[in-house]
Amino acid sequence: TQLLEQSPQFLSIQEGENLTVYCNSSSVFSSLQWYRQEPGEGPVLLVTVVTGGEVKKLKRLTFQFGDARKDSSLHITAAQTGDTGLYLCAGARASDYKLSFGAGTTVTVRA
Amino acid sequence: NAGVTQTPKFQVLKTGQSMTLQCAQDMNHNSMYWYRQDPGMGLRLIYYSASEGTTDKGEVPNGYNVSRLNKREFSLRLESAAPSQTSVYFCASSESRDLSNQPQHFGDGTRLSIL
Repeated sequence: TQLLEQSPQFLSIQEGENLTVYCNSSSVFSSLQWYRQEPGEGPVLLVTVVTGGEVKKLKRLTFQFGDARKDSSLHITAAQTGDTGLYLCAGARASDYKLSFGAGTTVTVRA
Repeated sequence: NAGVTQTPKFQVLKTGQSMTLQCAQDMNHNSMYWYRQDPGMGLRLIYYSASEGTTDKGEVPNGYNVSRLNKREFSLRLESAAPSQTSVYFCASSESRDLSNQPQHFGDGTRLSIL
């Protein structure tokens, strides 16, 4: 059983559309990280959210950390083909020095 | 800057064979990790080394051993490979074991098939 549940598992949209990926848990995390992974490569960090209710923007990407620090979302505005990839959320807990990863959301943006 | 380097990139083994996956980082990081990635299951932690000289089990350690050879290198060994260990293996490093506000840096993975 995954500690972090991501939804949807797959997402296919047309270029220019918006999308949202969700990351939910019953556990509290000290921070939530979002990674993006392209085929044949390792995950690369996009952002870390630390404070409950925090919103961070990275160009067309908006990341939100839930008030209770149990969930997070990633919203992409006006998606581009370059946004295609596997998006992974990962939670860090102060009680142990490890990350718990969600199963990932595969995003495909069609031209 | 190489970052995290994993070797080999691809490997095919027969059931029962042994193999060591190598990982080296050039960022002077204290903590290193081994994950496996399987379809629909995300990244699962096999073993980690919070600092040089220490190693600890992660979520799925059975069938694996690790060695933190020095601060730079962290190897993963399969003593007797099984088909269930077919996966993509990722090594990662971080500056310290406190991951609440720092990233893990990943290598590009080793694709391992066991027949």
